[in-house]
Amino acid sequence: NAGVTQTPKFQVLKTGQSMTLQCAQDMNHEYMSWYRQDPGMGLRLIHYSVGAGITDQGEVPNGYNVSRSTTEDFPLRLLSAAPSQTSVYFCASSYSTSDWQFFGPGTRLTVL
Amino acid sequence: QQQVKQSPQSLIVQKGGISIINCAYENTAFDYFPWYQQFPGKGPALLIAIRPDVSEKKEGRFTISFNKSAKQFSLHIMDSQPGDSATYFCAASYDYKLSFGAGTTVTVRA
Repeated sequence: NAGVTQTPKFQVLKTGQSMTLQCAQDMNHEYMSWYRQDPGMGLRLIHYSVGAGITDQGEVPNGYNVSRSTTEDFPLRLLSAAPSQTSVYFCASSYSTSDWQFFGPGTRLTVL
Repeated sequence: QQQVKQSPQSLIVQKGGISIINCAYENTAFDYFPWYQQFPGKGPALLIAIRPDVSEKKEGRFTISFNKSAKQFSLHIMDSQPGDSATYFCAASYDYKLSFGAGTTVTVRA
């Protein structure tokens, strides 16, 4: 099993550009989520999904969109990047809501 | 506003010593309390977790103590080793949502 994979590892965007961060898991996990990690703030939940076709907002959803068309994939879209979105983004998955979450290696995003 | 407060922000311990990290929460709906370990450039990895019906859980050199009435929980790293140098995050979960503390950077001096 590859576990949770994320692409790209690094990305630099200009303000106003759009892009999609990819996340995939091969563990047949129902639950997937996106977090951003900023210095001194820990990880904050952006969006999550409890299964294909079902998504919901987390703590900091503004400026981000998600969709879940398959169990395996959970992409995160930035529609119009802003410098405040400079962060490290982690995708995670788990079998159930209270089971431990497996994290991907992260994507480091810089918005100029 | 952070739902889980973690302290200290950083700590230095000698090899063989004990590292203690404390966390507090307010939301009594939380039903799962994991600790994650993160090395630079890597994603967080689950270290140990506890549910609120248990007061203590030990796995190897790592122990969680949980005080439900005080809404506090802590991580103890016994016999700290240089390989334990990392950032540790406490977290709390309910209703599909995981809330993290701000993290504690632990440095173990040989």
